[in-house]
Amino acid sequence: AQKVTQAQTEISVVEKEDVTLDCVYETRDTTYYLFWYKQPPSGELVFLIRRNSFDEQNEISGRYSWNFQKSTSSFNFTITASQVVDSAVYFCALIDGSSNTGKLIFGQGTTLQVKP
Amino acid sequence: ETGVTQSPTHLIKTRGQQVTLRCSSQSGHNTVSWYQQALGQGPQFIFQYYREEENGRGNFPPRFSGLQFPNYSSELNVNALELDDSALYLCASSPKDRAGADTQYFGPGTRLTVL
Repeated sequence: AQKVTQAQTEISVVEKEDVTLDCVYETRDTTYYLFWYKQPPSGELVFLIRRNSFDEQNEISGRYSWNFQKSTSSFNFTITASQVVDSAVYFCALIDGSSNTGKLIFGQGTTLQVKP
Repeated sequence: ETGVTQSPTHLIKTRGQQVTLRCSSQSGHNTVSWYQQALGQGPQFIFQYYREEENGRGNFPPRFSGLQFPNYSSELNVNALELDDSALYLCASSPKDRAGADTQYFGPGTRLTVL
């Protein structure tokens, strides 16, 4: 069965600190896709990144970076020099490559609070 | 390019009533998925519609049903509302060019409260 675990329920940092959000996944498929979404207080889920299981290259986009490690089934998300606008709930999600239903499996989410 | 839109924004119903939520997909997207997000939880997959047919379903009872129209917009219908149906209902659209792996783009959601 597929599962996504985000063990950190809430994280609080002071602006300009770096913060890493952890994501551990479980799947039996060899082909799968991992995602991160941001959910600000408005409620809309904002897509941040998609990574397939065959691409273990880390990715950097501005202050955001992602570390994908198949050996530990982890897909962690780091925000460098955090800002108040980064405050939101962040979700990690998984789709199996064998799925034809588009069913995203979400973790419980990590609430990030960035204080000025 | 217009993103995913949902209506209404908020809705209050009483137990036993029926509700219809609406979603317009992002331009160029032909697939719509619906999710239920209870307070403090991650979204849970309800079902997906592709080419006007249900393409997959999560663990939700038959009183949750949907439709997709030729313009790819979609409706979620919930009959016999229960208190536990109170949640944020999210719609997502995607361009289905291959099975299961498309990035889903979400709308702002409809907040349903059942009293």
